[in-house]
Amino acid sequence: DQQVKQNSPSLSVQEGRISILNCDYTNSMFDYFLWYKKYPAEGPTFLISISSIKDKNEDGRFTVFLNKSAKHLSLHIVPSQPGDSAVYFCAAGGSEKLVFGKGTKLTVNP
Amino acid sequence: DTGVSQNPRHKITKRGQNVTFRCDPISEHNRLYWYRQTLGQGPEFLTYFQNEAQLEKSRLLSDRFSAERPKGSFSTLEIQRTEQGDSAMYLCASSSTRTGWNTEAFFGQGTRLTVV
Repeated sequence: DQQVKQNSPSLSVQEGRISILNCDYTNSMFDYFLWYKKYPAEGPTFLISISSIKDKNEDGRFTVFLNKSAKHLSLHIVPSQPGDSAVYFCAAGGSEKLVFGKGTKLTVNP
Repeated sequence: DTGVSQNPRHKITKRGQNVTFRCDPISEHNRLYWYRQTLGQGPEFLTYFQNEAQLEKSRLLSDRFSAERPKGSFSTLEIQRTEQGDSAMYLCASSSTRTGWNTEAFFGQGTRLTVV
């Protein structure tokens, strides 16, 4: 039973354009959502988070949007850079463990 | 302290052997998590500790797996009688609940286990 779903295994965008990565969740008890970035052979690196009391959080080029009624969140990267090429994981949790999606591989082409 | 440290980075073992991994969390973090990641999947939760207490274990954690966190500092994950299906990246993460329940977890570089 996948509680956190990232339905796009991969995404390719041009440098300078916007990257939009999507994530859906099923457990309405989740109240904290995070995005992690992962390079091969390394552990995930925390990017940005959002609490369920907000619908948007911004940090530099990264913005996370949360739509609680749709149980959907998205990560926007503007402008995209070649160094952003990595696998992005969506994670959700509450007061205990985090549950991860399967990831979306983002490729930013120069 | 620069982050979560895991040792070894890589481990190759023969089927049936026991292996032990170590994780040193960020020093002020009271929570420590173990996850496992296989190719094409996201990190899958195995277990977590708050201080020295193991609060939850996943169904994925068979009887061959055991984790400890003596004195609430570093943690070890032992796999007994390894099987080829145990081959994966084992990730450790830590977080602090002192500023609230909802805080990000920081991951180590992982230990890549290959069972041959």
